[in-house]
Amino acid sequence: QSALTQPASVSGSPGQSITISCTGTSSDVGGYNYVSWYQQHPGKAPKLMVYDVSNRPSGVSNRFAGSKSGNTASLNISGLQAEDEADYYCSSYTSSTTRVFGGGTKLTVL
Amino acid sequence: EVQLVESGGGLVQPGGSLRLSCEASGFTFSSYWMHWVRQVPGKGLVWVSRINSDGSSTTYADSVKGRFTISRDNAKSTLYLQMNSLRAEDTAVYYCTRDVILDYWGQGTLVTVSS
Repeated sequence: QSALTQPASVSGSPGQSITISCTGTSSDVGGYNYVSWYQQHPGKAPKLMVYDVSNRPSGVSNRFAGSKSGNTASLNISGLQAEDEADYYCSSYTSSTTRVFGGGTKLTVL
Repeated sequence: EVQLVESGGGLVQPGGSLRLSCEASGFTFSSYWMHWVRQVPGKGLVWVSRINSDGSSTTYADSVKGRFTISRDNAKSTLYLQMNSLRAEDTAVYYCTRDVILDYWGQGTLVTVSS
């Protein structure tokens, strides 16, 4: 199972919006509405930010929004804040009943 | 409060074995699927294995199939990962995580495979 494709890095200024893409295939991202996004700060465990493409767990800011079109999922973060600086990973259920992660995107808040 | 606490990591020689544990609390463990995910320090997350709520169904990444075994003891609210025939490329922080959406994660336990 190949990893999902994410940009290595994105950046934005406080208050701006950024989008992180996550490209897979019809056997994972495109085939199921089971895409999740995780935020990971250095030395910390990942934190679930979005699940089932566009749902936010309780306590996650509505500045985080997920979407999907075809084989590509996206995470949009609006009103960038310094605390948003972290690594972000997408993940999808697959046709092999496994899960696959993206390679990760480092978000820098300028 | 949901808590997942991994243990059992450490230094092991290539070809050796190790058993990781993940003790769960704050939720009805027996109702949830569980997963193991690993991360080489400085690198990305890699899914390893999952087990259904009663332990009757398991799935593995190709990279560990035949070498790792996931299991659970619902009476003890504990998830396990038995790792055999360990290789240098298995060196990573191993996380346990809950549910099909991987909603809660432990803090991880470091496994180092080196001679």
